[in-house]
Amino acid sequence: GQNIDQPTEMTATEGAIVQINCTYQTSGFNGLFWYQQHAGEAPTFLSYNVLDGLEEKGRFSSFLSRSKGYSYLLLKELQMKDSASYLCAVMDSNYQLIWGAGTKLIIKP
Amino acid sequence: DGGITQSPKYLFRKEGQNVTLSCEQNLNHDAMYWYRQDPGQGLRLIYYSQIVNDFQKGDIAEGYSVSREKKESFPLTVTSAQKNPTAFYLCASSMGEAGELFFGEGSRLTVL
Repeated sequence: GQNIDQPTEMTATEGAIVQINCTYQTSGFNGLFWYQQHAGEAPTFLSYNVLDGLEEKGRFSSFLSRSKGYSYLLLKELQMKDSASYLCAVMDSNYQLIWGAGTKLIIKP
Repeated sequence: DGGITQSPKYLFRKEGQNVTLSCEQNLNHDAMYWYRQDPGQGLRLIYYSQIVNDFQKGDIAEGYSVSREKKESFPLTVTSAQKNPTAFYLCASSMGEAGELFFGEGSRLTVL
């Protein structure tokens, strides 16, 4: 079966750095997405990786290793507004998105 | 501004009643999707449509129905056949089948 694994919850301190991991096993691979979702709101797009390596976008970076079935989202200079759930999703060979359950990130002052 | 509008944001339904959730987009996107989100689970695909007058079942289509009569609109009906309809429902659209998803604000359905 297809599976996406991410930690359920993480806690970090304001101003620090946090890495959220995502491992996947899917039927084919056509890219990996990260979305941010604040409580009670809709997910918003953060990043897309289809080739191995690091994609940097401001305070957020996303890394992909296709051979390892592994990605991480790196958040730097954490702010209180970064408290949210972070969803990892992989597009399989049929262009269907397989979603992880999300990682709830709690930022403490 | 372009975007996706879902309504209503909150909805209460008695058991045995059908309810329709509205989803409208003005992004000129071809593809539209309905997802269900439950606590502790990933988003699950209910139905999707890549073109007007055509739609396909997702992983959990039982108890749901959709229509795609216009490019801008993709309403979802939660029927009385859906055994556990209380959930957060998200509508999304994308330019193509492999594109970034744009989500509506969601509709929270509670069955009393």
